[in-house]
Amino acid sequence: EAGVAQSPRYKIIEKRQSVAFWCNPISGHATLYWYQQILGQGPKLLIQFQNNGVVDDSQLPKDRFSAERLKGVDSTLKIQPAKLEDSAVYLCASSPRRETVLTGELFFGEGSRLTVL
Amino acid sequence: QKEVEQDPGPLSVPEGAIVSLNCTYSNSAFQYFMWYRQYSRKGPELLMYTYSSGNKEDGRFTAQVDKSSKYISLFIRDSQPSDSATYLCAMTANTGGFKTIFGAGTRLFVKA
Repeated sequence: EAGVAQSPRYKIIEKRQSVAFWCNPISGHATLYWYQQILGQGPKLLIQFQNNGVVDDSQLPKDRFSAERLKGVDSTLKIQPAKLEDSAVYLCASSPRRETVLTGELFFGEGSRLTVL
Repeated sequence: QKEVEQDPGPLSVPEGAIVSLNCTYSNSAFQYFMWYRQYSRKGPELLMYTYSSGNKEDGRFTAQVDKSSKYISLFIRDSQPSDSATYLCAMTANTGGFKTIFGAGTRLFVKA
């Protein structure tokens, strides 16, 4: 079974530029998550999708971050304009259903590492 | 106060040592407790999960949960260099959208 795919793996941009990250979850997984992991910290949830609807985006900085999940499969996370403090690894994860995360069924991609100069 | 507190380490031990990793939490609604392992430049992967209080063993790994103290532990017996990674505790409740809250992670180095 293929895992969660993310691209690009690495991105370096100047502050105030824009960047987009792409995620393809495990086939058949209804729930998709974007996490931000700053160096030395644990993953922090940015947004959660159930199929193509947003379930939780309470911690998404909506003035600069946006995300969509078209057709309930692939997802894109965009940052515009980027700030220095956005330097982090952006992890995409998927789970079969929302409640399966209770037993740890949260499958992560390898992440997209963003450096903002 | 953070919902989940975890000492970031680093923790360095010799091969074969018993490793103890710990987290504390403040939200008494948490019922499900997980440990994820994250190798450098990789995403986290699930090691074990435990429901409510008690112990759970899987090979060289044992997870313990003490809900009365809001304290969870992961023990690694006969540690190996391949265990060198960051260990993230995580927890969630059966309410509030099933949001998983992660600790900061403890970096572990096992020296051969």
